[in-house]
Amino acid sequence: DADVTQTPRNRITKTGKRIMLECSQTKGHDRMYWYRQDPGLGLRLIYYSFDVKDINKGEISDGYSVSRQAQAKFSLSLESAIPNQTALYFCATSGPWDYDTQYFGPGTRLTVL
Amino acid sequence: GQQLNQSPQSMFIQEGEDVSMNCTSSSIFNTWLWYKQDPGEGPVLLIALYKAGELTSNGRLTAQFGITRKDSFLNISASIPSDVGIYFCAGRGNTGNQFYFGTGTSLTVIP
Repeated sequence: DADVTQTPRNRITKTGKRIMLECSQTKGHDRMYWYRQDPGLGLRLIYYSFDVKDINKGEISDGYSVSRQAQAKFSLSLESAIPNQTALYFCATSGPWDYDTQYFGPGTRLTVL
Repeated sequence: GQQLNQSPQSMFIQEGEDVSMNCTSSSIFNTWLWYKQDPGEGPVLLIALYKAGELTSNGRLTAQFGITRKDSFLNISASIPSDVGIYFCAGRGNTGNQFYFGTGTSLTVIP
């Protein structure tokens, strides 16, 4: 089984809808991250969390919110989706022995019409 | 945010050829990472660099931390079809916890 899982893998939604993307990990890592990937722009950090009570904004947090429900779960929400949030979203984790090595999930492809 | 530019944007090479790509930053970084992303998957860490001038290898891959601390380089020797994918650099400065990713180099290996 994969160590970092994301659900759903694909989602098509309409402008204005609320969307939640979920991430779970079995690696026992304390740090979790949400990135978005757009063609030609690489990955950009949306939010990150160093433990259950710690949430930090990344480079592009506007229009997004997160929830760290447990050490193993980190959710990303789009309160009112807009078309320019169409992208590939990745969750990642890192652990205390090597925080620089981030383990990425398989990604969620989100399309906002 | 920080700007990391990778070049080239894409490469089409014959199997067996060597590959070179680089990443430049507008800021000084203390850590450079190189990732590979296979189609339909998340990025996987290949090499981590922590010191200016450092040269580190992982099999056929060799990466260098530039002396200016504003650039890094990745070389792949004797390319094979499974090298196909997108290669990303990522850097982090001495303040903050965020890694900034490059724009990616797409590699195609022609058998």
